[in-house]
Amino acid sequence: DAKTTQPNSMESNEEEPVHLPCNHSTISGTDYIHWYRQLPSQGPEYVIHGLTSNVNNRMASLAIAEDRKSSTLILHRATLRDAAVYYCILKRGAQKLVFGQGTRLTINP
Amino acid sequence: DAGITQSPRHKVTETGTPVTLRCHQTENHRYMYWYRQDPGHGLRLIHYSYGVKDTDKGEVSDGYSVSRSKTEDFLLTLESATSSQTSVYFCAISARTNEGHEAFFGQGTRLTVV
Repeated sequence: DAKTTQPNSMESNEEEPVHLPCNHSTISGTDYIHWYRQLPSQGPEYVIHGLTSNVNNRMASLAIAEDRKSSTLILHRATLRDAAVYYCILKRGAQKLVFGQGTRLTINP
Repeated sequence: DAGITQSPRHKVTETGTPVTLRCHQTENHRYMYWYRQDPGHGLRLIHYSYGVKDTDKGEVSDGYSVSRSKTEDFLLTLESATSSQTSVYFCAISARTNEGHEAFFGQGTRLTVV
């Protein structure tokens, strides 16, 4: 299975943009890139997914490198509520979601 | 919020006793999953179901069994609880499993085996 590499932790300030990186150098052409986040004491929550093109939704944007070997989750204006562990996951076909360690994002007021 | 309810939310039980955790959904989604989350291991898949009476094992299924007699309910049973099964258990549902389909997770059940 293709794996992802994320920094263990990141820190940002409230109301500033946050760029969360994910490396997936062994990604295959049929792997979708999914992002989930887990707020403290809650279950994981879907954020966004994409295949090749950049994607936007109400929560975030996903920027995918042209060679697809990396991607970046962008929170445009972080709030304290965005403090969570963010997981970057590759998903192919009917494979189940496989979670790594993720990036723990801290937001400073 | 997706309609997923896990019960109980917290449970303390003794080693060797049977325990059943329940996941109930109101979304009529076909697929249901049980994960456990432990420090240092992240979320790991225990069992999943792709329809009524259709279940399969995940990566950490030893010591666990599941049943799904109705679309809305997915039960996880620890036949004889051990201390290594102390964990937070999450149920998830999804309508489909193709590449772009999202999963919805419950709030979790914190199980302590003493």
